[in-house]
Amino acid sequence: QVQLQESGPGLLKASQTLSLTCAVSGGHISTGDFYWTWVRQPPGKGLQWIGYIHHSGAVHSNPSLTSRLTISVDTSNNLLSLRLSSLTAADTAVYYCARLGWIFGVVAGADYMDVWGKGTTVTVSS
Amino acid sequence: QSALTQPASVSGSPGQSITISCSGSSSDIGTYNLVSWYQQSPGHAPQLLIFEVNKRPSGVSNRFSGAKSGNTASLTISGLQAEDESDYYCCSYAPGSTLVFGGGTKLTVL
Repeated sequence: QVQLQESGPGLLKASQTLSLTCAVSGGHISTGDFYWTWVRQPPGKGLQWIGYIHHSGAVHSNPSLTSRLTISVDTSNNLLSLRLSSLTAADTAVYYCARLGWIFGVVAGADYMDVWGKGTTVTVSS
Repeated sequence: QSALTQPASVSGSPGQSITISCSGSSSDIGTYNLVSWYQQSPGHAPQLLIFEVNKRPSGVSNRFSGAKSGNTASLTISGLQAEDESDYYCCSYAPGSTLVFGGGTKLTVL
């Protein structure tokens, strides 16, 4: 049974760079046709998709974050990573990693997020 | 990339049925049958309820069902139970290989 665990610094200052990791256990990050995604949730607000990556390295990200975002996978250590630069208070959120199922065929695309980490809280102070 | 539109709140009494709508556009929900729904209890991570518009993962109660008509998807919960009180989010695949969530709906069981 695949499990995900996010980890990160917790508290950062504006203009700094956030680095988060998501440890995948119970399965290998490069097994199957899954992608891996990051989602965040500001306090009291809804979910926001950040971006997703395949173990091959293919990445797609939210256009509003692309210029500041780097998503990567470390297949040797079964880790998913996120880096978000030039932080502001608006980046304060709970950050989740999740496994993203993909559908293949005539119409291919991102299908569902079926395994989630418990989330890690990131606070950006000004 | 605009968020999908959901009602901020819905409510119902135990045993009743409720429906949560999720309005998108011809580019996302209208094009792709890749709509999923998530249930989130306070302080917890979201959980997958429905995928590909109307499919339930193993272990999800058949009281939860999904549908789509045009650019709008919907989630229906029948036989409402107190434990269903949560936040619900829709999500759709969208142009540019992106994903977009709805703003979320808070369900209150009266």
